[in-house]
Amino acid sequence: DGGITQSPKYLFRKEGQNVTLSCEQNLNHDAMYWYRQDPGQGLRLIYYSQIVNDFQKGDIAEGYSVSREKKESFPLTVTSAQKNPTAFYLCASHSEGSSNYGYTFGSGTRLTVV
Amino acid sequence: AQSVSQHNHHVILSEAASLELGCNYSYGGTVNLFWYVQYPGQHLQLLLKYFSGDPLVKGIKGFEAEFIKSKFSFNLRKPSVQWSDTAEYFCAVTDSWGKLQFGAGTQVVVTP
Repeated sequence: DGGITQSPKYLFRKEGQNVTLSCEQNLNHDAMYWYRQDPGQGLRLIYYSQIVNDFQKGDIAEGYSVSREKKESFPLTVTSAQKNPTAFYLCASHSEGSSNYGYTFGSGTRLTVV
Repeated sequence: AQSVSQHNHHVILSEAASLELGCNYSYGGTVNLFWYVQYPGQHLQLLLKYFSGDPLVKGIKGFEAEFIKSKFSFNLRKPSVQWSDTAEYFCAVTDSWGKLQFGAGTQVVVTP
């Protein structure tokens, strides 16, 4: 079945450490997105990529970095510069060519800084 | 930059009551509009979407939404809610670049 795989589901990080969240899709979607979900703030866009080897900052990119070396993969690194990294992170992909203008979401990664 | 505003952060209502959740967006170009729902402990699920045509859109589970271009609004409605409609509801908008922006969400609690 096609879809988005995010791993790990739960992640614990010590303060001062960088950590990378994985997002892989086998939908052949061109665009991929990273969102952060916090209670009462909805989903805020961190980074997005419309095409391989290109990406743009979203609304809250500070303290995060991404790469898009392959169409299937869009990993997110939470750096030590991110002041409040504990949150739920959602990856999504999208294809304009899809009949339902489909956005597909992964199951998310819950990151906790300890 | 575009933004999406949801009017209420929390809504509490009784079963069989009618529900209306407000959503306004700020973007002057062509937009696509969505409502997503997230049930407790579950993933985001698409309720309905609007791209063009009839501004009254019907979605799953008895939900509908009306696009009013002059008011930059896309309000979600359900005539009679059930306890199982307890969830968080998100309005979302894409611009011509396909970037999907979400509102802050509305937590809806339906009491028996």
